[in-house]
Amino acid sequence: QSALTQPASVSGSPGQSITISCTGTSSDVGSYNLVSWYQQHPGKAPKLMIYEGSKRPSGVSNRFSGSKSGNTASLTISGLQAEDEADYYCCSYAGSSTKVFGGGTKLTVL
Amino acid sequence: EVQLVESGGGLVQPGRSLRLSCAASGFTFDDYAMHWVRQAPGKGLEWVSGISWNSGSIGYADSVKGRFTISRDNAKNSLYLQMNSLRAEDTALYYCAKDTYTTVAGAFDIWGQGTMVTVSS
Repeated sequence: QSALTQPASVSGSPGQSITISCTGTSSDVGSYNLVSWYQQHPGKAPKLMIYEGSKRPSGVSNRFSGSKSGNTASLTISGLQAEDEADYYCCSYAGSSTKVFGGGTKLTVL
Repeated sequence: EVQLVESGGGLVQPGRSLRLSCAASGFTFDDYAMHWVRQAPGKGLEWVSGISWNSGSIGYADSVKGRFTISRDNAKNSLYLQMNSLRAEDTALYYCAKDTYTTVAGAFDIWGQGTMVTVSS
């Protein structure tokens, strides 16, 4: 159960697009279409942004999109806004009723 | 209103035990798997344990296996985490989270506000 690998930080200017990667292995990300992404603002509980790799829950902006290629999943945020500044975490099913999170990525909107 | 409310956290000495509870409301509790996720101060999220809708499938992170036990009482709409042999590294905010599936494989779509556990002498 090794944590998925995410960049520690990414940044972008308002209106730009950014992509956060999430690299796992053939035992987790690569084996299942069950990657989810969470947004967490300071002092708040995480919020589900993407599930099953690319699906958006009701109420989540279509500026958020997800994809996967091999053992790497990605979260793209287009049209960056100030309120997007937060920590982002990926999570994957890893088999045998276990889950694994990424280390988290701090997004700074310049 | 869909809600998860954790309780049972506090200050505990190393080696001692603590039991966390999570009360669910606003959804059909026994239709979904449930999880515990923790976050140490200033650190990232760590999945701790998950339990399927009927308690038939249970999983644990390697860091807590053999020390923590997850359980649920569908009649009481409640989730529990029995934590034994606590260590300083178990200090964290513990979140209860609802799965989107009946099995421990979906996403966490509903989160509680967390209950803080501090392990210190």
